[in-house]
Amino acid sequence: AQRVTQPEKLLSVFKGAPVELKCNYSYSGSPELFWYVQYSRQRLQLLLRHISRESIKGFTADLNKGETSFHLKKPFAQEEDSAMYYCALGGFGNEKLTFGTGTRLTIIP
Amino acid sequence: DTAVSQTPKYLVTQMGNDKSIKCEQNLGHDTMYWYKQDSKKFLKIMFSYNNKELIINETVPNRFSPKSPDKAHLNLHINSLELGDSAVYFCASTPTGSTEAFFGQGTRLTVV
Repeated sequence: AQRVTQPEKLLSVFKGAPVELKCNYSYSGSPELFWYVQYSRQRLQLLLRHISRESIKGFTADLNKGETSFHLKKPFAQEEDSAMYYCALGGFGNEKLTFGTGTRLTIIP
Repeated sequence: DTAVSQTPKYLVTQMGNDKSIKCEQNLGHDTMYWYKQDSKKFLKIMFSYNNKELIINETVPNRFSPKSPDKAHLNLHINSLELGDSAVYFCASTPTGSTEAFFGQGTRLTVV
């Protein structure tokens, strides 16, 4: 079974402080991990995928297969980062994308 | 514009009614999905179609019936609507060989 765990439902961080949103997964095959972001009343948008190893809007995420984690990080939070963040797990050859329960990030001015 | 588009964006209806939500993607993707986002923002897969064939059906009541007339369209029909069906429904699609999903803007369904 594939499962994604985001332990924090709510996270508040002061502007300029570092941000870390946690994600752990369980999957027997070769995982494909994503972070999606949903700004207020908007569609979900892809933020990051592990295979591209890129930084988007200052966010990075590294896949740690030993710890089965894919935490999302940003060194300095900005007010526009306030949103709902979902970690998602797919797999090569697997049609199902499983989402975590999401973390609502609030940046305090 | 290349995108996943859903109609309608908002839908308010009474209990017991039957309603449909439409989804179209012009990204050339083979796989399409319906997700339900409840009031707590939990996002759960409902159905997945690959090239017009149902491949995932996640214990959804049979009042929900997806229909895929072609691989670019995946519609969701809901019979006998209940209060608990109120949610935002998202359509999504993925390209072959990847689970990177592209989402529609969502349909906010309110059952009164």
